[in-house]
Amino acid sequence: NAGVTQTPKFRVLKTGQSMTLLCAQDMNHEYMYWYRQDPGMGLRLIHYSVGEGTTAKGEVPDGYNVSRLKKQNFLLGLESAAPSQTSVYFCASSQHPPGTIPLLRGRRYEQFFGPGTRLTVL
Amino acid sequence: DQQVKQNSPSLSVQEGRISILNCDYTNSMFDYFLWYKKYPAEGPTFLISISSIKDKNEDGRFTVFLNKSAKHLSLHIVPSQPGDSAVYFCAASGSGGSNYKLTFGKGTLLTVNP
Repeated sequence: NAGVTQTPKFRVLKTGQSMTLLCAQDMNHEYMYWYRQDPGMGLRLIHYSVGEGTTAKGEVPDGYNVSRLKKQNFLLGLESAAPSQTSVYFCASSQHPPGTIPLLRGRRYEQFFGPGTRLTVL
Repeated sequence: DQQVKQNSPSLSVQEGRISILNCDYTNSMFDYFLWYKKYPAEGPTFLISISSIKDKNEDGRFTVFLNKSAKHLSLHIVPSQPGDSAVYFCAASGSGGSNYKLTFGKGTLLTVNP
């Protein structure tokens, strides 16, 4: 299994350009997430999906859109890139949402992360 | 307002000694906690987790302790190895309902010196 893969690995954009980041997972997970990581900051949730055809806003959704047309794919779009969107973007997936109670023996509730996409907006 | 705090940006220990990474949280609704390890140019990988119904969880060299009254958790690595050198993130979430969000700390860079 490849786990969680992200395309592309690196990208440089000019201000105002658009692009789409692709995330794919082969673990048949229901839940998928997009995070960004900036220097000196933890990972911040941009958008997430609780299943095929669903999306929801996270902590920092402005300037981004997402789509989950297929269960295995979660796309993150930047319609008009800004320098403030220079960051490393991580996609993650999980079979269950975090903190599901009760925690059953043998269940795994962690999120599995992709290798990241380093985006620079000039 | 930072709900999950890792107050030590970095920690340096000798190989074979114990590494203790600390994490504090402010949201009393958090009841599930995870530690992730991250190497440069890679995504975070899950290390260990603990539910609020427990105060300790062990997995090999890694032990997580949870002190709910102090809203504090710690990760112990014994013995530390050079390959443990990485950034460690603490994360927390609530349970039930529509709470799907993991809140991450800013991370602690652990360096294990040979």
